[in-house]
Amino acid sequence: GESVGLHLPTLSVQEGDNSIINCAYSNSASDYFIWYKQESGKGPQFIIDIRSNMDKRQGQRVTVLLNKTVKHLSLQIAATQPGDSAVYFCAENRRFGNEKLTFGTGTRLTIIP
Amino acid sequence: GAVVSQHPSWVICKSGTSVKIECRSLDFQATTMFWYRQFPKQSLMLMATSNEGSKATYEQGVEKDKFLINHASLTLSTLTVTSAHPEDSSFYICSARELQGANNSPLHFGNGTRLTVT
Repeated sequence: GESVGLHLPTLSVQEGDNSIINCAYSNSASDYFIWYKQESGKGPQFIIDIRSNMDKRQGQRVTVLLNKTVKHLSLQIAATQPGDSAVYFCAENRRFGNEKLTFGTGTRLTIIP
Repeated sequence: GAVVSQHPSWVICKSGTSVKIECRSLDFQATTMFWYRQFPKQSLMLMATSNEGSKATYEQGVEKDKFLINHASLTLSTLTVTSAHPEDSSFYICSARELQGANNSPLHFGNGTRLTVT
């Protein structure tokens, strides 16, 4: 299933299926992007990052895609597991600016057993 | 991997009292730490940037006299919520980047402090 983070803050996916979480960022000067996972009552956990000179990066079961033309970022999670249930945030930063991260709205992903 | 520890993990205090939250980088040094606040079902909002040995930089709309930040060493930053009120009840999260980290190395986050003001 898919979600648009700003308009559909919740996403339910059957266990084993793939999920896609989308994020629209606002600052065209941003050149570094990160996806974080936040479980209930915990701080954000780094998942994967990508720099603006790339359009795709893969990790273990996760892939981040970056489309700078439309300022769009997505996180694909393959073969979802119950432990993937969490809120996922995208964050943006500028390499030569200050170190502040700007977080997106977040999407709650629920994996249905 | 790099670990950021926050203490306490939760605290309940009475209105009008002050609460101190600690943020420690356990196995790395951080000249800069960041304090975020998160209300239920909302995103993280940056409150201030804590700089070791100098004054913190506060985001617009955050009262520096209410949220006192001290960054006395390369491994410790504290946030003190002074004269807390119920509207200050929130989840406070700190983060830090390794001193030797390359530009854009990811921030490491603490597990947050749940503050409830009664």
